[in-house]
Amino acid sequence: NAGVTQTPKFQVLKTGQSMTLQCAQDMNHEYMSWYRQDPGMGLRLIHYSVGAGITDQGEVPNGYNVSRSTTEDFPLRLLSAAPSQTSVYFCASSYSGGQGSTNEKLFFGSGTQLSVL
Amino acid sequence: TQLLEQSPQFLSIQEGENLTVYCNSSSVFSSLQWYRQEPGEGPVLLVTVVTGGEVKKLKRLTFQFGDARKDSSLHITAAQPGDTGLYLCAGGLYYGNNRLAFGKGNQVVVIP
Repeated sequence: NAGVTQTPKFQVLKTGQSMTLQCAQDMNHEYMSWYRQDPGMGLRLIHYSVGAGITDQGEVPNGYNVSRSTTEDFPLRLLSAAPSQTSVYFCASSYSGGQGSTNEKLFFGSGTQLSVL
Repeated sequence: TQLLEQSPQFLSIQEGENLTVYCNSSSVFSSLQWYRQEPGEGPVLLVTVVTGGEVKKLKRLTFQFGDARKDSSLHITAAQPGDTGLYLCAGGLYYGNNRLAFGKGNQVVVIP
């Protein structure tokens, strides 16, 4: 029972480098999302997807790209890393992709700690 | 602008004591969720409340949703060291493209 799996656990980048944070879930969930967690800021939504082929922006999307080619995977791409993107990133999923599902349980991965120097 | 304000931000108590933390807003929510997060891990859902005035109990934890669906509280009875963690509340939104608004959390430390 893997749930939501994120890789890598830790990553250090130099300014300007690109990388992809991986997220996979094995629960056949329609909804997947990416959050960043910063001290004093709480969890902020970056991008989300309500199903394969459908993505949308969250609260803080600038500097990040996503795609959803399969139900299982939802990678987050940093095209040109900046120190302001130093954070802990969480992927989360829930069963339904419908807008009326705000009371559904979110399943979180264990996070990726990213440092940009 | 933070939709949900959690207080106190940090709380340290002795094992066996009771504590209450709060999650407040001026906005109305469709539901209110409480998560607990331990160091190096993602948040884990504890409870969801959906009806104004609703009270739910999870062993020694009691969750209440305000009558007006704008606030919530979490009460822990006889706290144990295993209750240590960051407690996050999340309000279900009726509008926009963000499904949940998270508070910044209540950091609770229970000292043995």
